[in-house]
Amino acid sequence: NAGVTQTPKFQVLKTGQSMTLQCAQDMNHEYMSWYRQDPGMGLRLIHYSVGAGITDQGEVPNGYNVSRSTTEDFPLRLLSAAPSQTSVYFCASSYSSPGGVVMNTEAFFGQGTRLTVV
Amino acid sequence: ELKVEQNPLFLSMQEGKNYTIYCNYSTTSDRLYWYRQDPGKSLESLFVLLSNGAVKQEGRLMASLDTKARLSTLHITAAVHDLSATYFCAVDLNYGGSQGNLIFGKGTKLSVKP
Repeated sequence: NAGVTQTPKFQVLKTGQSMTLQCAQDMNHEYMSWYRQDPGMGLRLIHYSVGAGITDQGEVPNGYNVSRSTTEDFPLRLLSAAPSQTSVYFCASSYSSPGGVVMNTEAFFGQGTRLTVV
Repeated sequence: ELKVEQNPLFLSMQEGKNYTIYCNYSTTSDRLYWYRQDPGKSLESLFVLLSNGAVKQEGRLMASLDTKARLSTLHITAAVHDLSATYFCAVDLNYGGSQGNLIFGKGTKLSVKP
């Protein structure tokens, strides 16, 4: 069972280039999220999705686009890379939880993509 | 806006000692998680706390949740070098029905020295 798979693991971009970070999960989770991790900042939520065709913004969405055409895949697109987007990016997925029901919805994380923008 | 504060941010301990990491959050939530991260690695789930008064233990780590005080603690008993890592608490952004989006504390970098 692969869990959450992110590709690539490492990437160097030039300022202004665009690229897509891939994320796939094989656990049939409805919820998927993208986070970025910067030194001393913890993880910050970029975008999230509660199911195919539904996405929403997190804490730091500017400069990133997402789409969710299937349950398994949740790619993150950098439209025009900037040095401020140098970071480690984590994708996560979790079970859904019906409203009013407190359930275990812990997030499972991919191995991360280390992105450097020069 | 939900804010999550951890303290301390850095913790240097001697082996065999006990210590507690604190996680305060600013608004009502019914789900709190603790994760461990080793350098250059992903996040590993340690504990899931789903109700007021919840207490979970695994080895030398014990986590608790007080939803009224909006406080969770991660207690380390008789620390060993293998516990050296960064520990994050995370709170679910949605109350009453998760949407899988978490707000993280900044992390506590724990170093256990002989």
